Amino acid sequence: DGGITQSPKYLFRKEGQNVTLSCEQNLNHDAMYWYRQDPGQGLRLIYYSQIVNDFQKGDIAEGYSVSREKKESFPLTVTSAQKNPTAFYLCASSMTEQETQYFGPGTRLLVL
Amino acid sequence: SQQGEEDPQALSIQEGENATMNCSYKTSINNLQWYRQNSGRGLVHLILIRSNEREKHSGRLRVTLDTSKKSSSLLITASRAADTASYFCATREFGNEKLTFGTGTRLTIIP
Repeated sequence: DGGITQSPKYLFRKEGQNVTLSCEQNLNHDAMYWYRQDPGQGLRLIYYSQIVNDFQKGDIAEGYSVSREKKESFPLTVTSAQKNPTAFYLCASSMTEQETQYFGPGTRLLVL
Repeated sequence: SQQGEEDPQALSIQEGENATMNCSYKTSINNLQWYRQNSGRGLVHLILIRSNEREKHSGRLRVTLDTSKKSSSLLITASRAADTASYFCATREFGNEKLTFGTGTRLTIIP
């Protein structure tokens, strides 16, 4: 099956801990995105990547980091510098930045 | 920053009725897209309308775009219980690689 997967579905973070959210796609898409969604709100862009080994900050990049070493993978690390990490995180991909985006099922991050 | 603002924030209708949601935006756009999100899930793309288009249909969905008023509407005809979800508009500005999402309309279809 072609698609975009995220893992884990739920993730718990302790104070001062870095955690990494996985995002994998087998759609052969060039562009990948990370969004944060808070309750009752829309999506806010954290980081995006249009090509391997290149990525740009979105609107709320502080406290987050990403890498794009492979076309299929775009992991997001939530660092200890992110003071309010509790949210629903969505990964998406598209053929190019101009096209529609395909979303993964999301990861819910909770703070212990 | 939020580009698109949906109206209403929440809408409840009886099954079989039509549902209309509106989206307003602030700047010139290349295209506008509508997405659906079931509770706790990822978003699913519904329809894309380009700035030079005024209306588009897909099954029971009808989208209009009025660039002079910077607004779009999504009409779902003959609603079904399975249409219960949140609906988001997203805009892409010219020369911008990013999509900007609105805050969404939560639609509830009452059986």
